[in-house]
Amino acid sequence: ETGVTQTPRHLVMGMTNKKSLKCEQHLGHNAMYWYKQSAKKPLELMFVYSLEERVENNSVPSRFSPECPNSSHLFLHLHTLQPEDSALYLCASSQDRAGLMNTEAFFGQGTRLTVV
Amino acid sequence: KQEVTQIPAALSVPEGENLVLNCSFTDSAIYNLQWFRQDPGKGLTSLLLIQSSQREQTSGRLNASLDKSSGRSTLYIAASQPGDSATYLCAVVKAAGNKLTFGGGTRVLVKP
Repeated sequence: ETGVTQTPRHLVMGMTNKKSLKCEQHLGHNAMYWYKQSAKKPLELMFVYSLEERVENNSVPSRFSPECPNSSHLFLHLHTLQPEDSALYLCASSQDRAGLMNTEAFFGQGTRLTVV
Repeated sequence: KQEVTQIPAALSVPEGENLVLNCSFTDSAIYNLQWFRQDPGKGLTSLLLIQSSQREQTSGRLNASLDKSSGRSTLYIAASQPGDSATYLCAVVKAAGNKLTFGGGTRVLVKP
């Protein structure tokens, strides 16, 4: 248990569905991240939230919509996804000190998403 | 743009042998480097964090070194065990930023 919890662990959705992924961290961190891990590709950063403000959006399609209501919770809202969006979605958190040297990043167990 | 490379992509060793995993990065302006372990279909477990001012970090059978000027880090796992079988990922945090840039990982198999 890393202190970062993701739900659900597995999700199968149709291309017309709307679903949300949830991440919760119990570490008192102030920065949270969404990463995508596709088969045979390095982990790709999707979004970064620091102090509940989105500070980075790595050219992610609008069918992925993040939400960070407070420093402990992060959501990824999904709608009209494509089969190529099937991947492991990982949430992480760390303590961001004014954008300078940060501390260790901790990851959740991920949500395995399959789009059919 | 920072690029992180891990070679080899896969490694198979007999139990008891020492493991040496390599990570290289193109931009030496990093704040820290982190090594992770990932079991199939699971999330990442942090193993070691090396700050840019440090040369190495140790935790149990694990030792990670960092040579920032040459853009390299090495993870040593002593006396490997079958339970060490996993994918090992390195990631760097660039200066003035807090995002991790990952390598492609090294998939390790330790045979009993």
